[in-house]
Amino acid sequence: GAGVSQSPSNKVTEKGKDVELRCDPISGHTALYWYRQSLGQGLEFLIYFQGNSAPDKSGLPSDRFSAERTGGSVSTLTIQRTQQEDSAVYLCASSLTRGVGEQYFGPGTRLTVT
Amino acid sequence: GQNIDQPTEMTATEGAIVQINCTYQTSGFNGLFWYQQHAGEAPTFLSYNVLDGLEEKGRFSSFLSRSKGYSYLLLKELQMKDSASYLCAVKDSNYQLIWGAGTKLIIKP
Repeated sequence: GAGVSQSPSNKVTEKGKDVELRCDPISGHTALYWYRQSLGQGLEFLIYFQGNSAPDKSGLPSDRFSAERTGGSVSTLTIQRTQQEDSAVYLCASSLTRGVGEQYFGPGTRLTVT
Repeated sequence: GQNIDQPTEMTATEGAIVQINCTYQTSGFNGLFWYQQHAGEAPTFLSYNVLDGLEEKGRFSSFLSRSKGYSYLLLKELQMKDSASYLCAVKDSNYQLIWGAGTKLIIKP
C-alpha cells in the first residue's frame, strides 16, 4: 500500500512569512509524529498525535509552531513568521499506535528560509 | 534526563564487519529500534529488540542487554550501499521514541 507522503518536497520562503507543511500518514495508522532534522543532526521531536486524543506538543520549539490533524488522518504543520533557524528537513512519520509497531517516515519537506 | 549515546562516525572496509554501539538511559523501556538513513533520505526501519539477546535479519543483526542499557547493530559483508547514518532509538515508559544523534558509517573500497 501507499506509504507516508509529504508535501511540498521543497519549500523556499522569505523570513517572516508563514508556511504550511502537509503529511498524509499510512491508512489505518492512528499515531502521527512530526520531527525536524537539521543538516548532519539527529531527529528532533516536535509533536505527536494519537487518534482523537489531545496532541503531545512538548517538542514544539516556540509558539510560532503549531500543528493539527483533521479527521484523524492528514496533518498540517504550520510555522508562522519563519526565521532562518527554522531551515531544516521536516519529517512526518506514522505508526499503528504509539505503543505498537515501528514508525514509517515520509520523504520529508526541505524548508529553506532566506 | 533521557540520553542515547552512539559514536558520531565510523569507517569500515567493504566486505568487512562493523559493530555500531548504542547505550541508553531512559525513563522506562519499551523496546529499542535501529533505523538506517541514507544522505538526503528519510530513515527506514531496520530492527526492533524488546527482549535481551540477538535478532538476526540477513546481513544485519541487533543485540540488546536491558540490564546494561546497551545495544549494538552488527553489519556483515559490508557493501558500499551500506554507507549511511544509523539511528538508535528507545521507546520510554510513555511509549515516546527517544532518538540518538546517529552514527555516520563510511565504507571504503
